[in-house]
Formats: sequence, C-alpha cells, structure tokens
Amino acid sequence: DTEVTQTPKHLVMGMTNKKSLKCEQHMGHRAMYWYKQKAKKPPELMFVYSYEKLSINESVPSRFSPECPNSSLLNLHLHALQPEDSALYLCASSQGTGATYEQYFGPGTRLTVT
Amino acid sequence: GQNIDQPTEMTATEGAIVQINCTYQTSGFNGLFWYQQHAGEAPTFLSYNVLDGLEEKGRFSSFLSRSKGYSYLLLKELQMKDSASYLCAVPTNAGKSTFGDGTTLTVKP
Repeated sequence: DTEVTQTPKHLVMGMTNKKSLKCEQHMGHRAMYWYKQKAKKPPELMFVYSYEKLSINESVPSRFSPECPNSSLLNLHLHALQPEDSALYLCASSQGTGATYEQYFGPGTRLTVT
Repeated sequence: GQNIDQPTEMTATEGAIVQINCTYQTSGFNGLFWYQQHAGEAPTFLSYNVLDGLEEKGRFSSFLSRSKGYSYLLLKELQMKDSASYLCAVPTNAGKSTFGDGTTLTVKP
C-alpha cells in the first residue's frame, strides 16, 4: 500500500467554524508533512512531524494546529480561518526526514473559507 | 537560503521530446527531486539525483550537474497525459524541501 489518504476531499467553512483535516498512511513512514498550495504555485511547507514529534513549524499562524496521534495519522485542526487561507492542503509522508527520501503526497483537501 | 528557477510554461507536440530545466542556488546540496503534478491532483515522485549524470527511467530521464547548479528533466515520446506541472525540489536533511514554482507543460496533438 503506497497510498496517503486525506479526508475530506472538499471543505467549506465559515470564519468562526472549527474543523479538522485528516491524513493517514500505512507505509510505516516516520515523517509526515502538511503543505498549503495555492493555484499555480508550488506546495508551501507548513509542518513536519518526525517520529510523531513536531520537528518543523514554518511560522504558521496559530489558527492552524497540527496533531499526530500515532505514526499513521496526522490531523490539522482549523479555527477562525481567514478567506486567504482558502487553498489545497496536502499531506505527505516519507520514510524519514533525510534528504534522500521521496515524499508521497495525498490527494489533498480543497478548503474554501467563506 | 535556497533559490530555484524553472521556466513557467512550455508547449510541445505529441511524440516529441521536451527538456525542462531547473537551476538552483543552495547553501548545501543533498540532491534534487522532480515531481509531476496534474491539475487538481497531488504531486507524484519522478526522480531523485544526487550524483552528476543522467538517470533514465523509461520515457523520463533526469540529469544533474552539481558544479553548474543545474538539472533537467527529459521527456521522450510525449503523450497527451504528460500535460502537467513539473516541479523540481531541493531537500534538506531536516525534512524541508524547497520547490521551484513549477513548469506547466502542455502537450498538443
């Protein structure tokens, strides 16, 4: 199984809502990532988890809160988002955080903030 | 810091060969990835180069010159399904990858 799954595929939320994005992989990968991607732009790294511990936070606003409940799951909790946060949110995983490991991306969650 | 440059758009004809270039300036070098991303889909891994030279994988090949800070992705026998964005990315050992802005390739009949 070389698949990273993400739910939901689409999400529309108001600025006062609280929602969560979910990501799952069963490849035994020990590194997991959250990216944000705007149209016609490359993915922007948000967070890196290594062995279930947060290792990189790219100065992401606190309205985005990541969580790694176990080695297979990664969540992104959303609260009080702004319209400019509308984007495709991609989860990825890799065997480790070493530079030689390719990342496997999930299909993404298309988020619209109204 | 890291700086990566790729052409924004390219157009080629079905059956032809196309070369997508990527130049990079990095404070350290741990290799270079190429990913393919179809519109509305996730990026998928194509290749990884860490040593100079050409790596061939079927219709796709990737080349690296570390002294020139240069890589290219070569696509042969183009098919319509190769229309996509091609991203080069330079990783660090901490899990961070800096992506180029991507090259949107359009394959025409």
